[in-house]
Amino acid sequence: GQNIDQPTEMTATEGAIVQINCTYQTSGFNGLFWYQQHAGEAPTFLSYNVLDGLEEKGRFSSFLSRSKGYSYLLLKELQMKDSASYLCAVRENLSNTGKLIFGQGTTLQVKP
Amino acid sequence: GAGVSQSPRYKVAKRGQDVALRCDPISGHVSLFWYQQALGQGPEFLTYFQNEAQLDKSGLPSDRFFAERPEGSVSTLKIQRTQQEDSAVYLCASSFGPSRNSNQPQHFGDGTRLSIL
Repeated sequence: GQNIDQPTEMTATEGAIVQINCTYQTSGFNGLFWYQQHAGEAPTFLSYNVLDGLEEKGRFSSFLSRSKGYSYLLLKELQMKDSASYLCAVRENLSNTGKLIFGQGTTLQVKP
Repeated sequence: GAGVSQSPRYKVAKRGQDVALRCDPISGHVSLFWYQQALGQGPEFLTYFQNEAQLDKSGLPSDRFFAERPEGSVSTLKIQRTQQEDSAVYLCASSFGPSRNSNQPQHFGDGTRLSIL
């Protein structure tokens, strides 16, 4: 079966660091994506991991451990505009499509 | 265009009516996906096209849902005899190549918010 777990909500302070965790159990694995989605808008791509380790991209970093079925998204120097939903998605490899299996999303609220 | 474009942005229909939702992917993108997103949830896969071929429709909830991409660019998702549980945001996404092994991300449109009364 497919199961992706993320915390439903998180709150952090402007300027701080926040880590959003994602655990997954899927029938196959062919990469993990993180997306940001502001209310009423399109999900926008943040990061991609297919091998174990840390990928850094400016203020955002993402980590993957395939043996543990675990990833996290790290946001540094938080800004008010980072208030959004963060979606963890696994690309499964059983079909020939590359479709994404999404978690429910983590709503992050950044406070002044 | 610069991004994935979906229309209409909002659609209200009465239960039992048919609706058609349009997606204009990024020019040149081979892969096109439709997802359904309920309030407070992540998107759920509906169907996948590679060019004009519909390679996976395993996520379509019932035979009332039908999607096409006849010329390998614009796609239409049609829902017949709509029901209240069809109310959701319908997202379209495209990516450059066949998506199975690529690090190319899927690019999403803003979605169509469908409300069935």
